[in-house]
Amino acid sequence: EDQVTQSPEALRLQEGESSSLNCSYTVSGLRGLFWYRQDPGKGPEFLFTLYSAGEEKEKERLKATLTKKESFLHITAPKPEDSATYLCAGRGGSNYKLTFGKGTLLTVNP
Amino acid sequence: KAGVTQTPRYLIKTRGQQVTLSCSPISGHRSVSWYQQTPGQGLQFLFEYFSETQRNKGNFPGRFSGRQFSNSRSEMNVSTLELGDSALYLCASREGLAGSTDTQYFGPGTRLTVL
Repeated sequence: EDQVTQSPEALRLQEGESSSLNCSYTVSGLRGLFWYRQDPGKGPEFLFTLYSAGEEKEKERLKATLTKKESFLHITAPKPEDSATYLCAGRGGSNYKLTFGKGTLLTVNP
Repeated sequence: KAGVTQTPRYLIKTRGQQVTLSCSPISGHRSVSWYQQTPGQGLQFLFEYFSETQRNKGNFPGRFSGRQFSNSRSEMNVSTLELGDSALYLCASREGLAGSTDTQYFGPGTRLTVL
């Protein structure tokens, strides 16, 4: 069975304090690793898709990377508005289903 | 382009009742997926439809059902509601054929509370 595990469950940072979120996956025949941001009471907002090991993508203060077993979301000099839950998902398996991790709740204090 | 829309945004029902939720995908998107999100279980996949056919199904009881119309709009139905069905129900759409790797875009969700 496909599995996606995110760590830590919660992370509290000071504004400007860079860090990384981890997403470990066991998804057979991975056909895309997705990162989303979710604010309370809202639907997930798409951030990145990564398709192959070694791939990197950047958007403002965020950079996502992919290896054969993990993906990292690096947050450089975060601001309070980066506070949200970050979700990771892998698409694969025989039916190309998208499997989500439980997310990392990021809080950035001013 | 307008995003994925879901109606209603909030619902309160009592145990034993049934409920129907609606989702309109992004224009041109032919695939619609439904998810249940709870604090304990996170996002769990319910089902995916493409061209009015269910392509994938998650591990939920038969009380959860769905359908897709010719204009790609989708509905999901939950019968005989239980307290544990209280959750945020999310709809997501994507462009292409089932099995492709294109990105899913989510709607704002319907918050269902079962009393």
